Amino acid sequence: AQKVTQAQTEISVVEKEDVTLDCVYETRDTTYYLFWYKQPPSGELVFLIRRNSFDEQNEISGRYSWNFQKSTSSFNFTITASQVVDSAVYFCALKRGGSEKLVFGKGMKLTVNP
Amino acid sequence: NAGVTQTPKFQVLKTGQSMTLQCAQDMNHNSMYWYRQDPGMGLRLIYYSASEGTTDKGEVPNGYNVSRLNKREFSLRLESAAPSQTSVYFCASTRSGPTYGYTFGSGTRLTVV
Repeated sequence: AQKVTQAQTEISVVEKEDVTLDCVYETRDTTYYLFWYKQPPSGELVFLIRRNSFDEQNEISGRYSWNFQKSTSSFNFTITASQVVDSAVYFCALKRGGSEKLVFGKGMKLTVNP
Repeated sequence: NAGVTQTPKFQVLKTGQSMTLQCAQDMNHNSMYWYRQDPGMGLRLIYYSASEGTTDKGEVPNGYNVSRLNKREFSLRLESAAPSQTSVYFCASTRSGPTYGYTFGSGTRLTVV
C-alpha cells in the first residue's frame, strides 16, 4: 500500500526565515512519482514539482528547493527567506508507476508572519 | 484557457436532498478525478475515470455516484446527502500516464445541514 506522511500539521514562522516541510512516503514500487502542491488561502491547488523515483537529483527553483532521498523515503521541501505570500497549505503526494491515482498526505499549513 | 471548471462553487443542502456536482475540462485529458478535502484528512479520492466510458472507486466512494458523460465532463452525484458529506470537493484531470500531475478545479464547498 502507498502512504504519504506529513508529520508537521502546522508551522508558523516570521518572514525571511527558512522553513523545511517534511514528507515521508511508503511504497513497494520501484517506479513512482512524487509531487508537491500548494493550496493558498484562496483554495485552489497549485502544482509545484514532480520528481521521478529514479532521479534523486535535488532541485532548486528560486527560493524553493526540494531534497529527494530514497534511502530515507523522504521528499522534503525548503523555502528560503520565506515571504507572507508563501502562507498556504502544502501537500506532498505519491503516484505509483502504472497507476493513475495520486495519494496525498494530510497537508501542512504554513503561516508566514510579517 | 479555462482548464478545469467546477460548478457550483458553493452549495447548501438539507439532509436527504440530492445534487450533482459538475466538472468539465478543456485540455483533452483522458483521466478525471473527484476528491474531497476535510480538515486534517488531506485529499481523499472518491472516484476516478481513466478514460471516457470507465469509472472506478477510490478510497471513499460510499454515498456517491459518478458519470463520465464524455471526454470533457465528469459529474459527481449525491443521491441522499448526509451531514458527513459536508466537505470541499475538487475535480481534477490529467493526461494519461503516471508522470503527469493533476490540474485541479477551484473546488465546490458543500454544506449539508
